[in-house]
Amino acid sequence: QKEVEQNSGPLSVPEGAIASLNCTYSDRGSQSFFWYRQYSGKSPELIMFIYSNGDKEDGRFTAQLNKASQYVSLLIRDSQPSDSATYLCAVPRGSYIPTFGRGTSLIVHP
Amino acid sequence: GAGVSQTPSNKVTEKGKYVELRCDPISGHTALYWYRQSLGQGPEFLIYFQGTGAADDSGLPNDRFFAVRPEGSVSTLKIQRTERGDSAVYLCASSQGVGETQYFGPGTRLLVL
Repeated sequence: QKEVEQNSGPLSVPEGAIASLNCTYSDRGSQSFFWYRQYSGKSPELIMFIYSNGDKEDGRFTAQLNKASQYVSLLIRDSQPSDSATYLCAVPRGSYIPTFGRGTSLIVHP
Repeated sequence: GAGVSQTPSNKVTEKGKYVELRCDPISGHTALYWYRQSLGQGPEFLIYFQGTGAADDSGLPNDRFFAVRPEGSVSTLKIQRTERGDSAVYLCASSQGVGETQYFGPGTRLLVL
């Protein structure tokens, strides 16, 4: 089993809908979780991080963490075409070095 | 201020050649990371520096890969005897310290023919 797993997609949603991106991880000791956005041909940028079970909201983005089930999700409300990108889940191991999933491609169509 | 910069942006080389990839981190950032990203995959950790020393090089795939950061700022990733499988985007990131937010550079696209 890979350390961080994501469905590669693509996930296609209409503009204005909620996009739900999921990630599972294997290390039960993981304490922090990150979501990066990567536009095609560009480098990753951090958009959310979460440490505690439950939800964390930042604007249109909500990160949800369930440590018992070992999954973390990212919800994007009121999706816009500009949200179309690959979303990478990252779980640091040991010395804060993130292990990345392969990413989920999101397409928001008008 | 300036972000992380990487040069060259693209590099085409022949199998067996030696290449150097450069990373200039954000000024004042003590931690610097190298990753490799293949098409359709997430970034794969290679090595991380805290100051001048390599704090964790467990991601380097073999001894053909080496990285230095002699003055605690600019870093160079060196690949000897390149192979076609080395073709990827090599990403550099820096952070103020360990565990702080990482800021990525634009990457160097390496193609080994």
